[in-house]
Amino acid sequence: GQSLEQPSEVTAVEGAIVQINCTYQTSGFYGLSWYQQHDGGAPTFLSYNGLDGLEETGRFSSFLSRSDSYGYLLLQELQMKDSASYFCAGRDQTGANNLFFGTGTRLTVIP
Amino acid sequence: ETGVTQTPRHLVMGMTNKKSLKCEQHLGHNAMYWYKQSAKKPLELMFVYSLEERVENNSVPSRFSPECPNSSHLFLHLHTLQPEDSALYLCASSQGTEAFFGQGTRLTVV
Repeated sequence: GQSLEQPSEVTAVEGAIVQINCTYQTSGFYGLSWYQQHDGGAPTFLSYNGLDGLEETGRFSSFLSRSDSYGYLLLQELQMKDSASYFCAGRDQTGANNLFFGTGTRLTVIP
Repeated sequence: ETGVTQTPRHLVMGMTNKKSLKCEQHLGHNAMYWYKQSAKKPLELMFVYSLEERVENNSVPSRFSPECPNSSHLFLHLHTLQPEDSALYLCASSQGTEAFFGQGTRLTVV
């Protein structure tokens, strides 16, 4: 089966750093992705980790450890507009195109 | 604008109605998806089409029926739905590691 678990809610202060964790159990693994979804909007792609290590894209970084079945999204210099839901997503061996999403983390940035 | 277009954006239907959701992408992607998103729940993968071949999720009730006539279009046919089927239905396409989502259809079953 496919299971990706995230904390349900995180609150952080504007300008701070926040880390959103994702632990997964999938039958086979093809990398971990992160998506952002604002209220009323569609999920949008943020990053992808196919190999272990850190990927950096501006204020956002994503990390993967396949041996630990664990990854995280790191958001730096938080802005109010970063308030949104964040989902990790992975693919499983039943089909490389089967993209399963995590439980989602609601991030609230406060002044 | 993600390049994935869904229609209609909003739909209200009775439990005895038959309706269809439409998704269109001209990004040249080879995989298309239907997801269901209920309030405070994760996105649930319903169906995947890869190179126009369907990969089924066995937990989806038969009152949901997908159709992929070509690589650019995807439909979700709905019939005899239940109130608990009310949700946001999202279509996505991908080619590789990144998926692009449409804005979704907000479905209300009355």
